[in-house]
Amino acid sequence: AQSVTQPDIHITVSEGASLELRCNYSYGATPYLFWYVQSPGQGLQLLLKYFSGDTLVQGIKGFEAEFKRSQSSFNLRKPSVHWSDAAEYFCAVGEPGSARQLTFGSGTQLTVLP
Amino acid sequence: ETGVTQTPRHLVMGMTNKKSLKCEQHLGHNAMYWYKQSAKKPLELMFVYSLEERVENNSVPSRFSPECPNSSHLFLHLHTLQPEDSALYLCASSRGGAGSYNEQFFGPGTRLTVL
Repeated sequence: AQSVTQPDIHITVSEGASLELRCNYSYGATPYLFWYVQSPGQGLQLLLKYFSGDTLVQGIKGFEAEFKRSQSSFNLRKPSVHWSDAAEYFCAVGEPGSARQLTFGSGTQLTVLP
Repeated sequence: ETGVTQTPRHLVMGMTNKKSLKCEQHLGHNAMYWYKQSAKKPLELMFVYSLEERVENNSVPSRFSPECPNSSHLFLHLHTLQPEDSALYLCASSRGGAGSYNEQFFGPGTRLTVL
């Protein structure tokens, strides 16, 4: 069975600083990989996804993520954080060829200091 | 309305009540999902409907009963819930049917409190 680990429960950064959120997965082959963001009182919004090809993926709001097969990781990065980026971030894994199951990590809460 | 909408946004109910959550998607998608989001826990997939047929039921207690009358609407009927069922219930939809994979679009959720 696939699993997702987000080792950082809470991260605090200053506005303008760079950001990296970690995600590690366990799966027998290369899964489909996703990052979602959830603002307070809202549902989840897709930031970016990786299915195949270029291992550096660009998403919305200036985010990017890099798939590293050797490390089973899909870390999310942003070079300069804005106060509006404060939210909870979820990494998710999907099984290729399946319409159904997304396995989510427990999430990382991001606080941005002025 | 655009995207995925959910009503009500907040619901407080007693353990003997019967209530229903509603989800509507305006995206022309074929698959719809119910998730449970509890504090400090990963999202839990509850039910999946593809082309109005239930294709997944992740061992959810029978006090939760889904209904999908058409590809745009999804309901979650609640009956004799327990306090531990208090959570944010999220609905999502995606374009693909079984055998394909597409990103899921989420609604804002219903915050449920069971007293």
